[in-house]
Amino acid sequence: AQSVTQPDIHITVSEGASLELRCNYSYGATPYLFWYVQSPGQGLQLLLKYFSGDTLVQGIKGFEAEFKRSQSSFNLRKPSVHWSDAAEYFCAVGDMNSGGYQKVTFGIGTKLQVIP
Amino acid sequence: DAGVIQSPRHEVTEMGQEVTLRCKPISGHDYLFWYRQTMMRGLELLIYFNNNVPIDDSGMPEDRFSAKMPNASFSTLKIQPSEPRDSAVYFCASSRGSGYTFGSGTRLTVV
Repeated sequence: AQSVTQPDIHITVSEGASLELRCNYSYGATPYLFWYVQSPGQGLQLLLKYFSGDTLVQGIKGFEAEFKRSQSSFNLRKPSVHWSDAAEYFCAVGDMNSGGYQKVTFGIGTKLQVIP
Repeated sequence: DAGVIQSPRHEVTEMGQEVTLRCKPISGHDYLFWYRQTMMRGLELLIYFNNNVPIDDSGMPEDRFSAKMPNASFSTLKIQPSEPRDSAVYFCASSRGSGYTFGSGTRLTVV
């Protein structure tokens, strides 16, 4: 069964600093990978996704993620964090065996705090 | 498009009462998902539909939970009878195959 590990429950960064959120997955084949962001009181919003091809994926809001098969990782990065990036971030892996990538397993989430 | 619409946004009910959560997916999306989010367990997939047909309900916690999708534009999640441990945020999401679009969720409190 697929699984996702986000080892950092909570991260604090200064505004303007760079950010990297870690994600490791477990899946038997080439996974479909996603990053979502959730602001307080809101649903999850898709930041970016990886299905195949270029392993460096660009997303919205200046985020990017890199798929590294050898490390089973899909870390999210941003070169300069803004106060509005404070939110909870979820990594997710899609299950291709169920006829597509529709059954998605989410990580526990990483809560990002941005300080002035 | 208005996105995925869920109602109500908040629901407070007494233990033993029936609760119905509603979801209107994005037009044209052929997958619909119900998730539950709690601090302890994170996001859990309860059930999902493809073209209005339930595909996998293995995440439904027990028989008190049921979900229907009578047409492509409407789905319900019903809890009967409700219990305090059902308190959570319930999300509906829809997809046309390239990532999900989530609704804003229903925060359910069972007292």
